[in-house]
Amino acid sequence: EVQLLESGGGLVQPGGSLRLSCAASGFTFNIYGMTWVRQAPGKGLEWVSTTSGSGSSTVYADSVKGRFTISRDNSKKTLFLQMNSLRAEDTALYYCAKLSGYYTEEAFDIWGQGTLVTVSS
Amino acid sequence: EIVLTQSPGTLSLSPAERATLSCRASQSVNSRYFAWYQQKAGQAPRLLIYGASTRATGIPDRFSGSGSGTDFTLTISRLEPEDFAVYYCQQYGSSPYTFGQGTKLEIK
Repeated sequence: EVQLLESGGGLVQPGGSLRLSCAASGFTFNIYGMTWVRQAPGKGLEWVSTTSGSGSSTVYADSVKGRFTISRDNSKKTLFLQMNSLRAEDTALYYCAKLSGYYTEEAFDIWGQGTLVTVSS
Repeated sequence: EIVLTQSPGTLSLSPAERATLSCRASQSVNSRYFAWYQQKAGQAPRLLIYGASTRATGIPDRFSGSGSGTDFTLTISRLEPEDFAVYYCQQYGSSPYTFGQGTKLEIK
């Protein structure tokens, strides 16, 4: 069974940092792109970042560019999101999702259950 | 950035009725890179349709997608109780990838 399990969320002060992880199982991790999508409380979906199967290609939303870094460790089947200079508006449930193919321009076909990030003093 | 505008914001229908959800893009989208997702309360989103018209694995055939260019449609031919949820359209061909604001499908 394909599974994605996010972790690393929590309460952080504005300006702080957090590193999210997404552990994958049930599929050949290194041949699929991966992505992060967030959802603020009571709001819609917002795409954050996507990486290709090898991790060599990455794209970011303008709202996080320069502050967030997506990466992956294919040997450990794990996706990461390093979040720096966090702001109140980054407060959201962060989902990781598997892409339906290797490249970054693919649909998001499997989703995790999310990890909550709260940025507040 | 490609802005996706979904209509209506809320759709009130009864089980067994037909639902038609629309998504309009601010500029042309290659239909190969267009998707629809369903999100039920308290759950993660689920991929329904990709490539504008291809059903994802395990999605019932009452769900269908159509459209091209700037206008796309998700149709649910005969609503089941489990279909009442929020639906999002998405384009993933041009970064930044964007979602519509969602259409809430509620029971009338």
